[in-house]
Amino acid sequence: QQQVKQSPQSLIVQKGGIPIINCAYENTAFDYFPWYQQFPGKGPALLIAIRPDVSEKKEGRFTISFNKSAKQFSLHIMDSQPGDSATYFCAASRGTYKYIFGTGTRLKVLA
Amino acid sequence: DTAVSQTPKYLVTQMGNDKSIKCEQNLGHDTMYWYKQDSKKFLKIMFSYNNKELIINETVPNRFSPKSPDKAHLNLHINSLELGDSAVYFCASGLAGGNEQFFGPGTRLTVL
Repeated sequence: QQQVKQSPQSLIVQKGGIPIINCAYENTAFDYFPWYQQFPGKGPALLIAIRPDVSEKKEGRFTISFNKSAKQFSLHIMDSQPGDSATYFCAASRGTYKYIFGTGTRLKVLA
Repeated sequence: DTAVSQTPKYLVTQMGNDKSIKCEQNLGHDTMYWYKQDSKKFLKIMFSYNNKELIINETVPNRFSPKSPDKAHLNLHINSLELGDSAVYFCASGLAGGNEQFFGPGTRLTVL
């Protein structure tokens, strides 16, 4: 019930492509779903987040799609750039004290 | 710079030793966390503190002892280090009532 399943494990796209990373959760009590971006040697940084009362959220080239009935959410990166190459983590939390992270997706955007 | 900082960035030590990692945040947050990231990049919460009080202890061996001297600091002391403790340890902070967590740069611990 506490797991967040993330796929794919790795992803390679051409510059300008739209990589999509998917996450699924089980616990319907989760009320906050962030995506974090991590570059090698750095800590994760918040990219975008959504709450379950919204089905889609866009911030710049990053979009979260949220399907409450399916208990799934996904990250889309529009017009991907080589600088987007990083590891992406989805997470879910209930309340403010505990994130459950997905297993991460290593994205490589080819120039 | 407003941030979450950790020292040291790298820590190499022998099995059986005791070591500490320090974390400080100047963001005015009242909640701090320790996460462990293993070799497969999996991030797992270890501890959460709110206003210097322990809120979450995620079945971490009692060789790991966090200490929060004040709201801006959360240190991690590890006794009798084992090979399996090798990982990157991240400190994070946030506001109680808020959801965003801000992560430090990490401390890479290698136990030989």
